[in-house]
Amino acid sequence: DGGITQSPKYLFRKEGQNVTLSCEQNLNHDAMYWYRQDPGQGLRLIYYSQIVNDFQKGDIAEGYSVSREKKESFPLTVTSAQKNPTAFYLCASRETYNSPLHFGNGTRLTVT
Amino acid sequence: KQEVTQIPAALSVPEGENLVLNCSFTDSAIYNLQWFRQDPGKGLTSLLLIQSSQREQTSGRLNASLDKSSGRSTLYIAASQPGDSATYLCAVRGQSGGGADGLTFGKGTHLIIQP
Repeated sequence: DGGITQSPKYLFRKEGQNVTLSCEQNLNHDAMYWYRQDPGQGLRLIYYSQIVNDFQKGDIAEGYSVSREKKESFPLTVTSAQKNPTAFYLCASRETYNSPLHFGNGTRLTVT
Repeated sequence: KQEVTQIPAALSVPEGENLVLNCSFTDSAIYNLQWFRQDPGKGLTSLLLIQSSQREQTSGRLNASLDKSSGRSTLYIAASQPGDSATYLCAVRGQSGGGADGLTFGKGTHLIIQP
């Protein structure tokens, strides 16, 4: 079955450490996205990529970095510069601009 | 700037009732509108996508309508079941004034279907 796989499901880190969240899709979609979800705030866009080797900042990119070396992979690194990293992180992809957005099952990151 | 509002924030109804969830948006210049459901601790599952040229879309017991001129969409759920309990979100892809990629999400309606 085609889909988006995010790993791990839960991630725990100490403050000051960088951490990388994995997102892999086998839908052959060009565009991939990273969102952050906090209670009561809705989804906020962190980074997105329309094509391999290209990506753009979203609305809350500070403290995060991404890469897009392969079409199927779009890892997100949460750096120590991110002030409030504890959140639920969602990866998504779509085929074309007018196509439905599909989501993975998310990674819950807890930083203490 | 596009704003998307979902009212009510929470809704509880007895099993078997038909119900309507609302989504309103401030800028009618949109490409499409998508409805999702989210179960606790999970990602979003796409339910229906309505293009700006369409008035409604149907999938099983779900029917979504779009009225661009009034900036409204509704998600109609027929014969509700306990398994429909989830948070329902709408997202609008605008031609301008949206998020960095043109997509703006509402905060969702938390729906509980009582057995």
